[in-house]
Amino acid sequence: GAGVSQTPSNKVTEKGKYVELRCDPISGHTALYWYRQSLGQGPEFLIYFQGTGAADDSGLPNDRFFAVRPEGSVSTLKIQRTERGDSAVYLCASSFGGGAGDTQYFGPGTRLTVL
Amino acid sequence: GQNIDQPTEMTATEGAIVQINCTYQTSGFNGLFWYQQHAGEAPTFLSYNVLDGLEEKGRFSSFLSRSKGYSYLLLKELQMKDSASYLCAVINNAGNMLTFGGGTRLMVKP
Repeated sequence: GAGVSQTPSNKVTEKGKYVELRCDPISGHTALYWYRQSLGQGPEFLIYFQGTGAADDSGLPNDRFFAVRPEGSVSTLKIQRTERGDSAVYLCASSFGGGAGDTQYFGPGTRLTVL
Repeated sequence: GQNIDQPTEMTATEGAIVQINCTYQTSGFNGLFWYQQHAGEAPTFLSYNVLDGLEEKGRFSSFLSRSKGYSYLLLKELQMKDSASYLCAVINNAGNMLTFGGGTRLMVKP
């Protein structure tokens, strides 16, 4: 079936603006994750959803970042008052049940550029 | 704390064998993943090890030693398309968070 999809693929915004990034997980996957990847580095964990609830949001850098998954499928990562340091590729992943051995399948990412 | 180390870059020749090492010191451990990431693309799953030993899957093999906090990814019969970044990642005890190393950029030359 289809893999994880993310929209938009690229987003350019100005400092101080609000952005929303969308993730469509693999159908039937209950677990959803957001990561952030800066150039030349590995992805860094932001938040994990099991169903509709944020089970672990310990990676969100500050309260400007928020994510929702209201129906347990599509998720939206929201960033308020964007800063230049928020520029990165935002990756979404999903897995079947969220267990340790469950493979996390990644989407292609949204490249966010804050001018 | 979490610390995962892997070499930044490696170069190898087409048809050869290359070993990419990863060492980790993490507060929790429930397995180690290797992902491949081509430039501008999503990381794609290669392997998962939770028990000590070698797991072989075609041209790719992955090894884990939990007592040493050490893993390696072995790529045989290298092809030009294997040029990519290889990411080592540890899954935490709760099984919900991957902590990644910085990635190893492998360049395969003819």
